[in-house]
Amino acid sequence: NAGVMQNPRHLVRRRGQEARLRCSPMKGHSHVYWYRQLPEEGLKFMVYLQKENIIDESGMPKERFSAEFPKEGPSILRIQQVVRGDSAAYFCASSPGQHREKLFFGSGTQLSVL
Amino acid sequence: DQQVKQNSPSLSVQEGRISILNCDYTNSMFDYFLWYKKYPAEGPTFLISISSIKDKNEDGRFTVFLNKSAKHLSLHIVPSQPGDSAVYFCAASAGYGNKLVFGAGTILRVKS
Repeated sequence: NAGVMQNPRHLVRRRGQEARLRCSPMKGHSHVYWYRQLPEEGLKFMVYLQKENIIDESGMPKERFSAEFPKEGPSILRIQQVVRGDSAAYFCASSPGQHREKLFFGSGTQLSVL
Repeated sequence: DQQVKQNSPSLSVQEGRISILNCDYTNSMFDYFLWYKKYPAEGPTFLISISSIKDKNEDGRFTVFLNKSAKHLSLHIVPSQPGDSAVYFCAASAGYGNKLVFGAGTILRVKS
């Protein structure tokens, strides 16, 4: 009974490259959330998706960041032309529904931009 | 604009004693509060929650207290155990859904 799976665990990119972070939710969960944790800070909401739909992207930077959760396959958080300020831990979480369900988090992807 | 604040970056407690972690919030629309625990290199795991219609919720060694007038909540762990050493995050939400606002976390160290 696997939990939320994120890969890769660690990702190193040079400035200007693209970063793709993957998240497979728990079995039976159709709601996916992405959060970002900068050093010395708490987790900050980025985006909430259901299958094939972006429900709330109010926490996403306007440029370079995009997210998808296709009908088949994992959710992808994509960062184009990465900059050093994108270095952070990116956590994915899933829930079976929207109504006050507890979130189940993955172990995160640590992105380092050189 | 920090809507959820954990003003103590760290806390050190002797094994067997009580640990009290505090959290303040500013947004009066928050109506559901949660505590998460996080070990290094792992994601946060849910610990305990409380709805704004209650002022206390208890689960084993963990109790969360909510003071709505003061916009303050606290997590009590008693007795504290070395395995409780972790980062504890307070989180809040408004309305339906799981869009949480997190505090910056408090590092708890339980000494044996």
